[in-house]
Amino acid sequence: AQSVTQLDSQVPVFEEAPVELRCNYSSSVSVYLFWYVQYPNQGLQLLLKYLSGSTLVESINGFEAEFNKSQTSFHLRKPSVHISDTAEYFCAVSNFGNEKLTFGTGTRLTIIP
Amino acid sequence: DVKVTQSSRYLVKRTGEKVFLECVQDMDHENMFWYRQDPGLGLRLIYFSYDVKMKEKGDIPEGYSVSREKKERFSLILESASTNQTSMYLCASSLTRGRGRDTEAFFGQGTRLTVV
Repeated sequence: AQSVTQLDSQVPVFEEAPVELRCNYSSSVSVYLFWYVQYPNQGLQLLLKYLSGSTLVESINGFEAEFNKSQTSFHLRKPSVHISDTAEYFCAVSNFGNEKLTFGTGTRLTIIP
Repeated sequence: DVKVTQSSRYLVKRTGEKVFLECVQDMDHENMFWYRQDPGLGLRLIYFSYDVKMKEKGDIPEGYSVSREKKERFSLILESASTNQTSMYLCASSLTRGRGRDTEAFFGQGTRLTVV
């Protein structure tokens, strides 16, 4: 079985400040890890993913996440947030050989001007 | 671009009605998924399908069934709608890994279902 824990349901951050959204996973086999973002009144879209190789992955809009196998974590970071980053962020995991995608409960990121 | 289309953005149905939610994808993906999204609970997998006529139960299949007669279409069926099935329903599709290509799940815009 696989599971994902996002401990922070809401994270308020001042504009231009750094942010970290935490994600921990549980799995008995090798994993693939994803961060999805949902802007208000929209569907989910992929932000970044870790499949193999470098443990640090980046998105085109300045977010990055690092796969840490020993801590079973895949935290999402951005050094300076903007109002447009206001959204809900979901961490997800799937296992090698299994296409099932399991999501965390989401973190709502609110940017304070 | 991959497109996953859900037939309705908003639906209102009465308790006891049979409800069909339709999802179509245009990228020849093998895998299709139905999730429901509720505040504080994130996305929970109802059913997924990895091939035509194949399906597997997800984490919360009770009260739902699915149909996949064609590769591009995956339908979610509420046999007898109840108020606790009021939710946002999201459909997704993906390629099967192992073909030397990266894959990710692509989502539709969602159907907000209200059962009264």
